[in-house]
Amino acid sequence: DAGVTQSPTHLIKTRGQHVTLRCSPISGHKSVSWYQQVLGQGPQFIFQYYEKEERGRGNFPDRFSARQFPNYSSELNVNALLLGDSALYLCASSITAPGGNSPLHFGNGTRLTVT
Amino acid sequence: DQQVKQNSPSLSVQEGRISILNCDYTNSMFDYFLWYKKYPAEGPTFLISISSIKDKNEDGRFTVFLNKSAKHLSLHIVPSQPGDSAVYFCAASVMYSGGGADGLTFGKGTHLIIQP
Repeated sequence: DAGVTQSPTHLIKTRGQHVTLRCSPISGHKSVSWYQQVLGQGPQFIFQYYEKEERGRGNFPDRFSARQFPNYSSELNVNALLLGDSALYLCASSITAPGGNSPLHFGNGTRLTVT
Repeated sequence: DQQVKQNSPSLSVQEGRISILNCDYTNSMFDYFLWYKKYPAEGPTFLISISSIKDKNEDGRFTVFLNKSAKHLSLHIVPSQPGDSAVYFCAASVMYSGGGADGLTFGKGTHLIIQP
């Protein structure tokens, strides 16, 4: 079975630009989460979606937004990119709704570099 | 304020011996804990989890211990193998039914190096 897939794998953008990252969850998983990992740190929670609704949001500015589609895939959008947005963006899916005790399964991430 | 702390950035262990990775947390609301393993250029891979109603969970070579009073958990790997060399992340969350979710809170990770 395919795991969580993310695209693109690498991306280089300029300050002020907009970026869209995409994620397909494991088949049968209805919950998708997004995390940001900067060098030397652990992943930091950005959003969680379940059944196309936002169920949780981390401490990120409004420049970050996301959505989940009817097929449970998801997009993360970041507007007005800053140098500090350079990071590995991880998507994860799980089989249970938020609050359940099913672990998250991560994709390999999208490496975003902002110049 | 870091709610999940892994105070050892790296740990070197000889092949065949026990590896013990430690994690401390400050938020007493955390009731579900996980360990993830990460190789370079890959996403974190789930290893093992434990809920706060237990104090130990075992899966093959991996055992997680939870000490709620000390707000401390540890991951034991026995015996350590070369393929275990990776960065290990401790993560925690608050489980509650319905409503929103605050995601997982991760530590900074410990780089485990298994020496032959």
